[in-house]
Amino acid sequence: NAGVTQTPKFRVLKTGQSMTLLCAQDMNHEYMYWYRQDPGMGLRLIHYSVGEGTTAKGEVPDGYNVSRLKKQNFLLGLESAAPSQTSVYFCASSWSGLYYGYTFGSGTRLTVV
Amino acid sequence: KNEVEQSPQNLTAQEGEFITINCSYSVGISALHWLQQHPGGGIVSLFMLSSGKKKHGRLIATINIQEKHSSLHITASHPRDSAVYICAVKPNTGNQFYFGTGTSLTVIP
Repeated sequence: NAGVTQTPKFRVLKTGQSMTLLCAQDMNHEYMYWYRQDPGMGLRLIHYSVGEGTTAKGEVPDGYNVSRLKKQNFLLGLESAAPSQTSVYFCASSWSGLYYGYTFGSGTRLTVV
Repeated sequence: KNEVEQSPQNLTAQEGEFITINCSYSVGISALHWLQQHPGGGIVSLFMLSSGKKKHGRLIATINIQEKHSSLHITASHPRDSAVYICAVKPNTGNQFYFGTGTSLTVIP
């Protein structure tokens, strides 16, 4: 089925470990986003991309890096995980940033111990 | 900071009732986004609007730009409508949406 696929779905990391979350979309969307969702808070934008080879910082970018080497993939990296990065991470994509709805992945639940 | 306030935070309704969820914001915006988060966690985009009203099935979204307010209505509610409904706004300056904390809706058969 067309859509946004996130891998992995669950992960437990030790403090200081690194990992990469993969987001893949097959809808030829230009825009891709990484959000985190924490209890009692709205979704917060980490980084986003408006096209292949471009990335930009969102509201909470510290501790994360991203890459968009191919249009269909958007990678989120944690170089040295911290307990504050325990969260549910969602990837989303859209045709444009404004007039079209977003398609979300199913989320990645990350726990840093 | 949170640019977006939703009310109520929690809502319980009987099946068949007409439901209204409210979203208020404090800055000038270029777009407003309504989303639904299912109990399992999946998020679905419902409406993107910048003026007037949009309708899809039993869902209606309205926005009043002057009053900085939007409403999401659900007609003839059903237990499968039980979910968290999230409002997000894109301010006139900047490139991102800011999300509310959501309204948790439970529809009882």
